[in-house]
Amino acid sequence: KAGVTQTPRYLIKTRGQQVTLSCSPISGHRSVSWYQQTPGQGLQFLFEYFSETQRNKGNFPGRFSGRQFSNSRSEMNVSTLELGDSALYLCASSLVQGEAFFGQGTRLTVV
Amino acid sequence: GIQVEQSPPDLILQEGANSTLRCNFSDSVNNLQWFHQNPWGQLINLFYIPSGTKQNGRLSATTVATERYSLLYISSSQTTDSGVYFCAVGTLSSGGYQKVTFGIGTKLQVIP
Repeated sequence: KAGVTQTPRYLIKTRGQQVTLSCSPISGHRSVSWYQQTPGQGLQFLFEYFSETQRNKGNFPGRFSGRQFSNSRSEMNVSTLELGDSALYLCASSLVQGEAFFGQGTRLTVV
Repeated sequence: GIQVEQSPPDLILQEGANSTLRCNFSDSVNNLQWFHQNPWGQLINLFYIPSGTKQNGRLSATTVATERYSLLYISSSQTTDSGVYFCAVGTLSSGGYQKVTFGIGTKLQVIP
């Protein structure tokens, strides 16, 4: 059974640009959550999608957005990138509620 | 929101030693997981343990939900156990959906 797949693994962007990250959940999982991990703030919840609907949102500015497709794959977008957006972005999938499984993450560097 | 505290923040062990990592949480939770983050950043599932005790090889975990804490035991530690261990709790939002909150982690270094 394939795990959670995140692409790309690494990304370098310039301030002001935008970026789109992708997450393919485990087959059958309909919930996808996104997290940002930085040395200073730890792991912070961004948002969660279930059946193409955003159910929960963390305390992040509107520059951070996401969506989920009918096949449960999810994308998150960050517009007008700032240096502080440099982080490891992790995606997790789960059944309705319960045990979460994480992908390998996308390491974003903003220069 | 719920507070999740992990202790100790840092731990250095000699290979072969045993250790106990603790996770305290400030409110009732739906579920609780322990993860090990490898050097490449991936979170590896160790235990899904809303309550009770589970064992997997040299690792075991106990959650006492009524007293709002969980413990992760590592016995006969190996250098490959090095990394950061996270506790994550799931709570229900006002809309009835689950929100997951992570502790800050315990950074473990096992030296030969």
